[in-house]
Amino acid sequence: EAGVVQSPRYKIIEKKQPVAFWCNPISGHNTLYWYLQNLGQGPELLIRYENEEAVDDSQLPKDRFSAERLKGVDSTLKIQPAELGDSAVYLCASSTRTSGGTDTQYFGPGTRLTVL
Amino acid sequence: AQTVTQSQPEMSVQEAETVTLSCTYDTSENNYYLFWYKQPPSRQMILVIRQEAYKQQNATENRFSVNFQKAAKSFSLKISDSQLGDTAMYFCAFHLSIYGGSQGNLIFGKGTKLSVKP
Repeated sequence: EAGVVQSPRYKIIEKKQPVAFWCNPISGHNTLYWYLQNLGQGPELLIRYENEEAVDDSQLPKDRFSAERLKGVDSTLKIQPAELGDSAVYLCASSTRTSGGTDTQYFGPGTRLTVL
Repeated sequence: AQTVTQSQPEMSVQEAETVTLSCTYDTSENNYYLFWYKQPPSRQMILVIRQEAYKQQNATENRFSVNFQKAAKSFSLKISDSQLGDTAMYFCAFHLSIYGGSQGNLIFGKGTKLSVKP
């Protein structure tokens, strides 16, 4: 079974430029997450999708960040314009509910963003 | 609000020895799940082990086992027969039970950097 796929793996941009990250979740996983991971820290949730619906975007800085998950499969996270402080790793994860009452999340390799 | 605390920023262990990573958490809920994730230098986050709070028996996955103390809100990870490939960041994480009526999100600790030395 293929895992969560993310691209690009690395991205270097100048500040004020736009950037986009793409995620393809595990087949059949209806829940998709975008996390921000700063150096030496644990991941922090940016947005969670249940199918096409963003059910929790309370931590997404909406002035510059946007996300979409058309057709409830792939997702794109965008930053426009990027700032120096956005340099971090952006992780995508997906999950599906189990009979056990929780949804174990599986992570992609992440995109390391460097803003110069 | 739930919080997860990992008090050991870095640890090291000799190959083939045993090491224990600590994690404490805070919640007022009764139904939840706890996880340990491993993140090697290549960056992909991998699930190591998970524990359901309603189960008294500690979870075990090969060389990895946990010591779950619900009353103390403690969830430590023991790695036996440490191998060089165990070198990684280890994150403890908490998730409310879906059946508890409030799904919440996965809450991570800050991580422990484990180095296994030959």
